Amino acid sequence: QVQLQQSGPGLVKPSQTLSLTCNVSGDSVSSGSYYWNWIRQPAGRGLEWIGRIYTLGNTNYNPSLESRVTISLDRSKNQFSLKLTSVTAADTAVYYCASQDTRLVYFDYWGQGTLVTVSS
Amino acid sequence: IVLTQSPATLSLSPGERATLSCRASQSVSTYLAWYQQKPGQAPRLLIYDASNRATGIPPRFIGSGSGTDFTLTISSLETEDFAVYYCQQRSDWPPYTFGPGTQLEIK
Repeated sequence: QVQLQQSGPGLVKPSQTLSLTCNVSGDSVSSGSYYWNWIRQPAGRGLEWIGRIYTLGNTNYNPSLESRVTISLDRSKNQFSLKLTSVTAADTAVYYCASQDTRLVYFDYWGQGTLVTVSS
Repeated sequence: IVLTQSPATLSLSPGERATLSCRASQSVSTYLAWYQQKPGQAPRLLIYDASNRATGIPPRFIGSGSGTDFTLTISSLETEDFAVYYCQQRSDWPPYTFGPGTQLEIK
């Protein structure tokens, strides 16, 4: 069973870069069994898919965020990461990492969530 | 694809039957999932491909529908079922999209 453990700062200044990491256990990010995703949820609101990465490093992003988002893999550490540049208060949200089984392609395992606040 | 959910809030008592609706702005075939989210927790996958229960999900959770109209039925509510429920489509992406959620609260 996949387990996802998130890490990263909870406070980011406006115009700076948000960086989060998701450590994977129970499978290898290189196995090809899962897509690795980031999803966010502003307080009291719904869920927004940010993007995903696959074992070869190929990525897909939400067009609304694509110009500011980078998702990457670190195979040596068995983790994947999110970078979101030029953040504003509108990027304040709980950020989740989540896996998608390549057979089902739904979000089956989730990290614990990280509240990221954008404020000076 | 825009997903709308109704009602926004549903107030019921334990033991009652809950019916939650999700409508898509265009056909998603059966490429739709339902998630449950409790306060302070990540969402949990309940139903995938419209009607298949995910691993470990009890049989009181029943998904149905195809095309643009979908229903999640909880046949007899347990106290742990009171939560927010989201639908999500994977038919036309990027992006994957979620509905705004239905809050299921205890009456």
